[in-house]
Amino acid sequence: TQLLEQSPQFLSIQEGENLTVYCNSSSVFSSLQWYRQEPGEGPVLLVTVVTGGEVKKLKRLTFQFGDARKDSSLHITAAQPGDTGLYLCAGAASGAQKLVFGQGTRLTINP
Amino acid sequence: EAGVAQSPRYKIIEKRQSVAFWCNPISGHATLYWYQQILGQGPKLLIQFQNNGVVDDSQLPKDRFSAERLKGVDSTLKIQPAKLEDSAVYLCASSSGGGYSGANVLTFGAGSRLTVL
Repeated sequence: TQLLEQSPQFLSIQEGENLTVYCNSSSVFSSLQWYRQEPGEGPVLLVTVVTGGEVKKLKRLTFQFGDARKDSSLHITAAQPGDTGLYLCAGAASGAQKLVFGQGTRLTINP
Repeated sequence: EAGVAQSPRYKIIEKRQSVAFWCNPISGHATLYWYQQILGQGPKLLIQFQNNGVVDDSQLPKDRFSAERLKGVDSTLKIQPAKLEDSAVYLCASSSGGGYSGANVLTFGAGSRLTVL
């Protein structure tokens, strides 16, 4: 069973601070995705990473895929209240047809 | 383009009753997914259709859950009889591609929240 473990599960910080969320597994993934989910809505895709060591930036968000394709991180610079939400990583192991989600990191940015 | 439509948004039933959820995917999307998201957890895949065929239903509790996708478009997920532990948000998603590659993007609906009393 492929498992994706996210840490921390909960994070509450002040506006303007930086933060990093981690997504780890013992399995190798062919690709890994990050989603953000707001209350009462479905997850919305933020980014997909497919190459080991890949770094992608989306405004103040920086996503990195580990060299061995077993882990990923999401770094937010100068967090804003609008960044508040549930951040989910999801991946599919090589050759697998099933997308597995982590349990999520619930992020709260306080003004 | 219109998003993934789901109904009802909310449903409250008593245990042992039945419930059905409906999903209309994005037009032209061949692959449709039903996920279960229990409070505090990430989504768990229940069933995946490609057109009107089942690709994966390994985590679907088949003694009580059933799903169909007639004509390869709309889909219905049914629970009968419901248990307390079925309380969750049921998310429908669709994608144009079939496999999980970097190019395959899932678009989720807003979900149907089920409360079983």
